[in-house]
Amino acid sequence: QVQLVQSGAEVKKPGSSVKVSCKASGGTFSSYAISWVRQAPGQGLEWMGGIIPIFGTANYAQKFQGRVTITTDESTSTAYMELSSLRSEDTAVYYCARDLGSSWVFLGYWGQGTLVTVSS
Amino acid sequence: SSELTQDPAVSVALGQTVRITCQGDSLRSYYASWYQQKPGQAPVLVIYGKNNRPSGIPDRFSGSSSGNTASLTITGAQAEDEADYYCNSRDSSGNLVVFGGGTKLTVL
Repeated sequence: QVQLVQSGAEVKKPGSSVKVSCKASGGTFSSYAISWVRQAPGQGLEWMGGIIPIFGTANYAQKFQGRVTITTDESTSTAYMELSSLRSEDTAVYYCARDLGSSWVFLGYWGQGTLVTVSS
Repeated sequence: SSELTQDPAVSVALGQTVRITCQGDSLRSYYASWYQQKPGQAPVLVIYGKNNRPSGIPDRFSGSSSGNTASLTITGAQAEDEADYYCNSRDSSGNLVVFGGGTKLTVL
């Protein structure tokens, strides 16, 4: 059974960066697309970007271009999402999600979420 | 703003059928997937592709598509189906992913 375990909650200052990890187990890591999705308090889901580890090149939503970096470490089956120049509006729960294949939109497995709070 | 549009809220009587819709130009070319999210929990995929249910999803959930509109139908809604429902698909360029704004389903 595929499991995604994310790193713990973070509190960050405006202008700083945060890096969230997502460790996969129970399946083949490299061939499946991993997406990062965030949800601000009381708001909807927002796709930030994703990567297929075996290809290594990430795609990013235009809104986050230049501020987000998604990477993977195949040796540890871990995906990372780093968001820079944090502002209060980035306060949200950040989820990693694994595709059932490489469609990008069949997000069949989700991490538990990581709360990132941006506050001075 | 989202390229996929959903009604903010829908209600259904217990045991009745409800349809939740998702509209967007990209749906003319790509299927939508549907997710159920309950408070404090991660989303759960309930429908993907043409009309596929992941293991463990009850068969009262089904999906369909026509033109620029995708639909999630719950036939015989149960109290435990009360949740937020989100659609997602490729965007108009086909290179990226977008989510709809979500629909809050109330089971009366």
